[in-house]
Amino acid sequence: ETGVTQSPTHLIKTRGQQVTLRCSSQSGHNTVSWYQQALGQGPQFIFQYYREEENGRGNFPPRFSGLQFPNYSSELNVNALELDDSALYLCASSLWGDYGYTFGSGTRLTVV
Amino acid sequence: AQSVSQHNHHVILSEAASLELGCNYSYGGTVNLFWYVQYPGQHLQLLLKYFSGDPLVKGIKGFEAEFIKSKFSFNLRKPSVQWSDTAEYFCAGKNYGGSQGNLIFGKGTKLSVKP
Repeated sequence: ETGVTQSPTHLIKTRGQQVTLRCSSQSGHNTVSWYQQALGQGPQFIFQYYREEENGRGNFPPRFSGLQFPNYSSELNVNALELDDSALYLCASSLWGDYGYTFGSGTRLTVV
Repeated sequence: AQSVSQHNHHVILSEAASLELGCNYSYGGTVNLFWYVQYPGQHLQLLLKYFSGDPLVKGIKGFEAEFIKSKFSFNLRKPSVQWSDTAEYFCAGKNYGGSQGNLIFGKGTKLSVKP
C-alpha cells in the first residue's frame, strides 16, 4: 500500500490569493474526501469526490472547490483566501462502500 | 445538528495506568462510530470502528470501545497504557444521511503518558 500523499506539506499565502492543494489516493481507492482541521479542533468535512464528481459537501462556501482525476487523485482549490482559512487540510481516501478511510499527513496552510 | 463531543481536552497518565476517554454522539438513525489516533507528526490512523453487532469493539494496539446506545456513548478504553500511546485521539461518527466520507469529528483528546 502506498498510502495517501499530499502536497505541499506547508504553504504560506496572502489574503485574497488562490491556492491549490493536491492529494494522491491510496492504491485501490476510488473515493476522496477533504477535511479542514483548525488549531485545537477536530477535522471538519469539506466535500467528497467519487467518479470525478462531488458526492457530498459540508458547510463550506463555494470558494472551496475540488476536482478528482481519472487516476482518483484530487485537488482542493480555495479562492479569495481569508485569514480564517489558515488550517491543516487533510485528504482521506477509501473504496466506495467501504469505511476504511486512509488519511494523509495534510497540508498546513497559513494565510497572512 | 448532529455532533460528536469528547469530554476531556488533555489527559495525563503514568505508564500502566488504565485509560478511558469519553465520547458522546447526538444523532439518530444508523450509527457508525470510529476512533482515530494521531501520533506526533503522523497522519490520522484508524484504531477501531463500530457499525453493528457486538457493542464491544476491539481495535489495534490493545484498544477497545463500547457502544452504549442508551447513553449515546462510545468510550475508548485500554487496560494499561504505554509511553508510546502518547498521541491525540479523535472520536468520529458518520454523518447520518450524509455521503460516505462525511465524518463528524470530536475536538480530540490529547493523551500524555509519563514514563
